[in-house]
Amino acid sequence: SQQGEEDPQALSIQEGENATMNCSYKTSINNLQWYRQNSGRGLVHLILIRSNEREKHSGRLRVTLDTSKKSSSLLITASRAADTASYFCATEPYNTDKLIFGTGTRLQVFP
Amino acid sequence: ETGVTQSPTHLIKTRGQQVTLRCSSQSGHNTVSWYQQALGQGPQFIFQYYREEENGRGNFPPRFSGLQFPNYSSELNVNALELDDSALYLCASSPRLGQGVEAFFGQGTRLTVV
Repeated sequence: SQQGEEDPQALSIQEGENATMNCSYKTSINNLQWYRQNSGRGLVHLILIRSNEREKHSGRLRVTLDTSKKSSSLLITASRAADTASYFCATEPYNTDKLIFGTGTRLQVFP
Repeated sequence: ETGVTQSPTHLIKTRGQQVTLRCSSQSGHNTVSWYQQALGQGPQFIFQYYREEENGRGNFPPRFSGLQFPNYSSELNVNALELDDSALYLCASSPRLGQGVEAFFGQGTRLTVV
């Protein structure tokens, strides 16, 4: 079963716009990670945020974590056509080091 | 490229057959995890191997089994294939056990069961 739900399921924007994806999860976690997947290929690790962190930045990526609401968001600023992909959040619950993935958001960025 | 290679890239099998998928982990990585990703879904954890021993298993039946070799490469075996086993199978290697350790994914094996 999936740990998290992502919202929206699909998102279409123009180049230069910002894209925001949200992730909700069910159990207490040690950390939350975001991954990117191009066209059903392998996943690429984007960023990790620990349960005691509230916000983290990496280049054009900004991740927030609200453990009281069991939710996270990924913001991609100044999007590019090359950002077109599916984005997944994955949690590591307290009692395990196994990743539990959400359902993903399909992002389409139009030139 | 992550340095994790999987073979084959695509595979078609008939229901009831058995299949073996292979994963070569990134150099220096001793931990391998396998995931099943059905179309339109997120990956689901199958099991993890650490230094040739199974170290945790997800909610998959015993007909899903694995191995890890002394060079830390790994195999996923699925017996008595069912149509619902059609999916992308992903292998991920990590340099060590523990939380917050980045997982490096291969490109996956697309299995189709007919």
